[in-house]
Amino acid sequence: DVKVTQSSRYLVKRTGEKVFLECVQDMDHENMFWYRQDPGLGLRLIYFSYDVKMKEKGDIPEGYSVSREKKERFSLILESASTNQTSMYLCASSFGGPSTDTQYFGPGTRLTVL
Amino acid sequence: GEDVEQSLFLSVREGDSSVINCTYTDSSSTYLYWYKQEPGAGLQLLTYIFSNMDMKQDQRLTVLLNKKDKHLSLRIADTQTGDSAIYFCAESRGGFQKLVFGTGTRLLVSP
Repeated sequence: DVKVTQSSRYLVKRTGEKVFLECVQDMDHENMFWYRQDPGLGLRLIYFSYDVKMKEKGDIPEGYSVSREKKERFSLILESASTNQTSMYLCASSFGGPSTDTQYFGPGTRLTVL
Repeated sequence: GEDVEQSLFLSVREGDSSVINCTYTDSSSTYLYWYKQEPGAGLQLLTYIFSNMDMKQDQRLTVLLNKKDKHLSLRIADTQTGDSAIYFCAESRGGFQKLVFGTGTRLLVSP
């Protein structure tokens, strides 16, 4: 079974803090993704990575950065957290190549910025 | 438009059929997906359909694809209270296997 784990289920931070969200997958997947989920807006792609040290902006990258130093780990960084970044953050991974685009998701991190 | 659209809510009685609808935008999407999210959890893949198919059946789930109208639906037969969740459709769009998700439909099944 594919397993995608996220470092925290719940996180509370203060405005201006630097926040790290970690994601690890154990299936040697090439691609990894970070989304945020907000009511009525569905999932919106923040950043994704298709290889180690490679990253691409998604639809809403402002205020975020990412790091992929190892294939299995993809980190989302909030350089200076703001209240409008309070959200559910979901990590996903998928195989590379011409197979299906099926993405496998972690359980999510609910971040509250006070 | 750019959005993948779904209605926000659906309420059914246990034992009835549920039909969740989705309108997507990219006619070149290779695969279309249905994901389920239970409360407090991540997304779980339910099923997917290849774009050259019209229908796919998997136990209680039936996916219908109308490529002309860019319309996707998920039918759940004999809906159970355990089916209460948020259902997301998604289309593959662009390179690197990116998915674009709909807003999600919250299905509430009452006894």
